[in-house]
Amino acid sequence: NAGVTQTPKFRVLKTGQSMTLLCAQDMNHEYMYWYRQDPGMGLRLIHYSVGEGTTAKGEVPDGYNVSRLKKQNFLLGLESAAPSQTSVYFCASSRRPGQGGETQYFGPGTRLLVL
Amino acid sequence: KQEVTQIPAALSVPEGENLVLNCSFTDSAIYNLQWFRQDPGKGLTSLLLIQSSQREQTSGRLNASLDKSSGRSTLYIAASQPGDSATYLCALGGAGGTSYGKLTFGQGTILTVHP
Repeated sequence: NAGVTQTPKFRVLKTGQSMTLLCAQDMNHEYMYWYRQDPGMGLRLIHYSVGEGTTAKGEVPDGYNVSRLKKQNFLLGLESAAPSQTSVYFCASSRRPGQGGETQYFGPGTRLLVL
Repeated sequence: KQEVTQIPAALSVPEGENLVLNCSFTDSAIYNLQWFRQDPGKGLTSLLLIQSSQREQTSGRLNASLDKSSGRSTLYIAASQPGDSATYLCALGGAGGTSYGKLTFGQGTILTVHP
């Protein structure tokens, strides 16, 4: 049981380049989330999804797009990377709130450096 | 907007001590509270989840309490060990409307337990 996996683990981009981060979960969770973690800022929610085919904005959505075409996958895209997007990105998943056990399970993170 | 504060920011203790980590929050209308552990360069691991209707949860040497009226939670670690060294994060799950189930994180307490 792999839980939540993220691809890639580390990436270096030049300003203006684009990339997609992939998150996959094998726990049949309805909800999925993308966070970024920065020193002094803690973890902040970028986008989230409450089910296949749905996405919604979190606290810091600007500069990112997401897609949830399959229930087990949640993609985070950077169309034109900026140095301010240098961060560690975490994906998480959980059951739908109200079903009990709404613990969020986190992936190992993707370290992104934008030069 | 929910704001979460964790005190102290860092804590260094000798092995065997009992210790308390503090988390305070500004909005008592929460769905749940979770405590996470993060090892350097790793993702987050859920330690304890307290529903808004509960007062405490226990797991092994860990005990977490929740007092919504005062906007506080504590994580108690008994008989600390060097393996407990990590960053501990408190996160509040929103209760209503678009906040439902989404987590707001504190900035964490860095714990070092030395032999």
